[in-house]
Amino acid sequence: NAGVTQTPKFQVLKTGQSMTLQCAQDMNHEYMSWYRQDPGMGLRLIHYSVGAGITDQGEVPNGYNVSRSTTEDFPLRLLSAAPSQTSVYFCASSGAPSSGNTIYFGEGSWLTVV
Amino acid sequence: AQSVTQPDIHITVSEGASLELRCNYSYGATPYLFWYVQSPGQGLQLLLKYFSGDTLVQGIKGFEAEFKRSQSSFNLRKPSVHWSDAAEYFCAVGAGRYSTLTFGKGTMLLVSP
Repeated sequence: NAGVTQTPKFQVLKTGQSMTLQCAQDMNHEYMSWYRQDPGMGLRLIHYSVGAGITDQGEVPNGYNVSRSTTEDFPLRLLSAAPSQTSVYFCASSGAPSSGNTIYFGEGSWLTVV
Repeated sequence: AQSVTQPDIHITVSEGASLELRCNYSYGATPYLFWYVQSPGQGLQLLLKYFSGDTLVQGIKGFEAEFKRSQSSFNLRKPSVHWSDAAEYFCAVGAGRYSTLTFGKGTMLLVSP
């Protein structure tokens, strides 16, 4: 029972490089989302998806791109990394919230941009 | 838009003493409310959640929280703190429809011997 799997766990990028953070869930959840966590800021929503082919922006979407071609996967792309994107990234998934479904988080991806 | 306020950035509690972490939210409809805990370098662990029904919610590790609509609060409590409870605690409100969360900035709990 894998739950929500994020890769890589740690990554160092140079400014201007691009990369993709992978997120996969095996619970057949419709809803998936990406958050970033910065000291003293809590977690902030970057992008979210309510199903395959449907995505929308959250609170801090600039510099990030997402797509949802399958129910299982929700990758987060950094198009041109900047030091301000140094953060810890969490992917989450859940079923319908109104039914009381738990929101499951991945273990996080630590990204440093130098 | 919804928001969450955790007024205390740091709290220090003696081991064995009681704990209350404050959380106030702003949301136009009936909120879905959560408490998560995070140890250094680790991911998020769900302590408890409130969706509806009984306003006193029991969670894991001996934690409980009470939803008070009149005060827009969802404070987390534990009667006797253990050293292993030292961590950062996050309160969050669900946006309801899309299963996304708005988090508070967190409260760091320090436990003194």
